[in-house]
Amino acid sequence: DQQVKQNSPSLSVQEGRISILNCDYTNSMFDYFLWYKKYPAEGPTFLISISSIKDKNEDGRFTVFLNKSAKHLSLHIVPSQPGDSAVYFCAASAPGETSGSRLTFGEGTQLTVNP
Amino acid sequence: ETGVTQSPTHLIKTRGQQVTLRCSSQSGHNTVSWYQQALGQGPQFIFQYYREEENGRGNFPPRFSGLQFPNYSSELNVNALELDDSALYLCASSLDWQETQYFGPGTRLLVL
Repeated sequence: DQQVKQNSPSLSVQEGRISILNCDYTNSMFDYFLWYKKYPAEGPTFLISISSIKDKNEDGRFTVFLNKSAKHLSLHIVPSQPGDSAVYFCAASAPGETSGSRLTFGEGTQLTVNP
Repeated sequence: ETGVTQSPTHLIKTRGQQVTLRCSSQSGHNTVSWYQQALGQGPQFIFQYYREEENGRGNFPPRFSGLQFPNYSSELNVNALELDDSALYLCASSLDWQETQYFGPGTRLLVL
């Protein structure tokens, strides 16, 4: 049962344009969502998060949008830069559940930003 | 400030053997979580340790076990290795068990 899904395995955009990465979830108990970026041979790097009490969170070039009714979140990167090329993982958590603050990850989306 | 470190970086074992992976948490962090990432997939939660106690476990068999030490570093032990245990093992630490998790570089395990 894949509770967090990233339906696009890859995305290619031109430098300077907007990158939009999407994520859907099925578990209505999730109330905290995160995006991580991963380069080859490195661990995931935390990018940005959002609590379910908000519908938008912004940090520099990165903005995360949450649509709870649709169980959907997206990450916008504006403007995209070649250094943003990496695998992006969406993750969700339901803090307070008895199984600790586990993160449930999607399968990842490979973003390629072309110069 | 030192981030999360893991050792070794790479490891090759044969089926049936046992392996111990190590993780040093970021300074000031009291919680460590372990994840397994198979090729082409997202990380899967193995378990979490908070102040030396297990604080949640994913769907992994008992041959996956762990420890957290008084300095909050941690070990992941896997007994009776199987071919499917070949994966990247990631450790993440957080300031407290509900705080943001920060990942180390991982240990790449190959079971032959």
